[in-house]
Amino acid sequence: LAKTTQPISMDSYEGQEVNITCSHNNIATNDYITWYQQFPSQGPRFIIQGYKTKVTNEVASLFIPADRKSSTLSLPRVSLSDTAVYYCLVGFTGGGNKLTFGTGTQLKVEL
Amino acid sequence: EAGVAQSPRYKIIEKRQSVAFWCNPISGHATLYWYQQILGQGPKLLIQFQNNGVVDDSQLPKDRFSAERLKGVDSTLKIQPAKLEDSAVYLCASSSGGWAYEQYFGPGTRLTVT
Repeated sequence: LAKTTQPISMDSYEGQEVNITCSHNNIATNDYITWYQQFPSQGPRFIIQGYKTKVTNEVASLFIPADRKSSTLSLPRVSLSDTAVYYCLVGFTGGGNKLTFGTGTQLKVEL
Repeated sequence: EAGVAQSPRYKIIEKRQSVAFWCNPISGHATLYWYQQILGQGPKLLIQFQNNGVVDDSQLPKDRFSAERLKGVDSTLKIQPAKLEDSAVYLCASSSGGWAYEQYFGPGTRLTVT
C-alpha cells in the first residue's frame, strides 16, 4: 500500500533553515511530490511541487534524490509565522491509494 | 479571485442522523476533491471529480457516504447515517487540472457526531 511518513514535530528558531523530510515508498516514475502548509482551522495551502532533483520558488526549495523514495522541504530563514503543520502529498499513480497525504509535521518556530 | 467556498462551517448532529456539505470551487476549475481530515491526521481523499465524472472514489465509504457534482460546478457530500467516527473536518479543494496541479482548499466543515 502507498504510504508517506514524516517526523511528527520539529522545533526551530527564527532565522534558521528548516528541512522536513517525507518518505514515500512505491512512488512511480511519473508521480509528483507536493508540499502543503496548514494553519489551525484553515485548509492546506500549496507551497511547492517537484518531480525530480531540485525545485526552488520564492518561499521554499524541494529536494528529491535519484531514487525518489523521499523528498525534503527546505524553508530558509523561518519566522514565527511559519509555525504550522506541513504535509507532503504524493499521487501514487503506480497503484494503491492515489493522492496520499503524509502524516504531517508540526513545525514550531520560536524567537 | 474568489476562493473555494464551503458551507456550513460547523455542524453538530447525533449519530444515525444525516448531514450534507456543500462546496463551490474556484470558477473554471475542472477538478474537485473531497477530503476527510480527522484531528491530528493528514487529509484523506474521499472522492475526486473531473468535471462531473468520478475519477477516484476508492476510499469513500459508499454504504453511508455519497457525493455528486451536477453540471460540473458545485458539489454536495452527504453522510447517511452518521457514525461517531465520522467526526472530522471535511475539506473541499479544486484544481484547474488533474491531481498534479496545485489544489486550492476551502476552509472546511467541522462535523461533530454525538
